[in-house]
Amino acid sequence: QSVLTQPPSVSAAPGQEVTISCSGSDSNIGTNYVSWYQQFPGTAPKLLIYDNNQRPSGIPDRFSGSKSGPSATLGITGLQTGDEADYYCATWDSILSSVVFGGGSRLTVL
Amino acid sequence: EEQLMQSGAEVKKPGESLRISCQASGYTFKSFWIYWVRQRPGKGLEWLGRVDPSTSYSTYGPSFQGHFSMSTDMSISTAYLQWSSLEASDTAIYYCARPGTSDGCLDLWGQGTQVIVSS
Repeated sequence: QSVLTQPPSVSAAPGQEVTISCSGSDSNIGTNYVSWYQQFPGTAPKLLIYDNNQRPSGIPDRFSGSKSGPSATLGITGLQTGDEADYYCATWDSILSSVVFGGGSRLTVL
Repeated sequence: EEQLMQSGAEVKKPGESLRISCQASGYTFKSFWIYWVRQRPGKGLEWLGRVDPSTSYSTYGPSFQGHFSMSTDMSISTAYLQWSSLEASDTAIYYCARPGTSDGCLDLWGQGTQVIVSS
């Protein structure tokens, strides 16, 4: 059971938009920055969004992040088949004194 | 180029010991914690803990204290994750990572080390 809650799967058609939710609590998302990761099968996770809504260099602006209270959202616009991957949210938990991850959401581009 | 390079895959038997490594390059090793993350087959990411490269001081994620240990060798910019007695449940891919702008941000990842524990 992950500390952060994500939907196990999301799907949308190419060119459409999808959002992935990440629900936590006051001690984690409510207090600390959220980051998002993209993971393709057989590869290491890659940082997609940091500090709630910042994109590292090289990440297209089709990817966006937002946070409100104890929840965060990853948005992907203009979906491409190459976006099919697992997506994870993460943050620091101030009570557990640890990084906590969501369980991951598998994106299918139909 | 900033990089974390991990050691190769391992196949071990239950009860055996193991040490896997993560060598940093392209940045000042002592300036950032090294995190360790586990991914069991078909499952999500779990944060195992972190080690301070300059002191080897470690903190552990919930439920992980005592089963493995973390250490570093500053002279070769390398962090280690080690077990004294492996269990079948340790079968997983282990990633090392570097924190970024906040404690909960992992901005640089190693390629992962697959560990298989089977009799």
